[in-house]
Amino acid sequence: NAGVTQTPKFQVLKTGQSMTLQCAQDMNHEYMSWYRQDPGMGLRLIHYSVGAGITDQGEVPNGYNVSRSTTEDFPLRLLSAAPSQTSVYFCASSYGQGENTEAFFGQGTRLTVV
Amino acid sequence: GENVEQHPSTLSVQEGDSAVIKCTYSDSASNYFPWYKQELGKRPQLIIDIRSNVGEKKDQRIAVTLNKTAKHFSLHITETQPEDSAVYFCAAGWGKLQFGAGTQVVVTP
Repeated sequence: NAGVTQTPKFQVLKTGQSMTLQCAQDMNHEYMSWYRQDPGMGLRLIHYSVGAGITDQGEVPNGYNVSRSTTEDFPLRLLSAAPSQTSVYFCASSYGQGENTEAFFGQGTRLTVV
Repeated sequence: GENVEQHPSTLSVQEGDSAVIKCTYSDSASNYFPWYKQELGKRPQLIIDIRSNVGEKKDQRIAVTLNKTAKHFSLHITETQPEDSAVYFCAAGWGKLQFGAGTQVVVTP
């Protein structure tokens, strides 16, 4: 199993550009989430999904869109990049509400908006 | 929604001493409390977790305690080693996890 795979690892965008961060998992997990990590602020939840076709907002959703058309994939779209979106982004997946809800993280995407 | 507070933000310990990190949470519905370790430039990785029906769990040099009445839980690392140096995050939730702000632990030889 590859686990949780994120692409790209690094990205530089100009203000106003759009892009999609990809996330895929091969563990048949129900739950998938996107977090951003900024110095001193921990991991903040952007959006999450409890299954295919179901998404919901987290703590900091503004400026981001998600969709979950399959169990495996959960892309994060930046509609019009802003310098405030410079961050490290992590995708995570877990089984969900059952006994094992350990979240497995992807390797992260370091995004810089100039 | 859930709010998780974590203290201290930095912790410096001598090798061999113990380290304790404390977290509080707000949502009484939370039933899963994991702890993650993140080394510089790497992804967070689970080191131990506890569920709401358990008060304490231990795995070698690390242990976690949970007080559901007071809504707080703690990570204890005994006999610290230099490789324990990292950022540690607590989290609380039920499927959807809310993370604390992290604790930078530095173990000096």
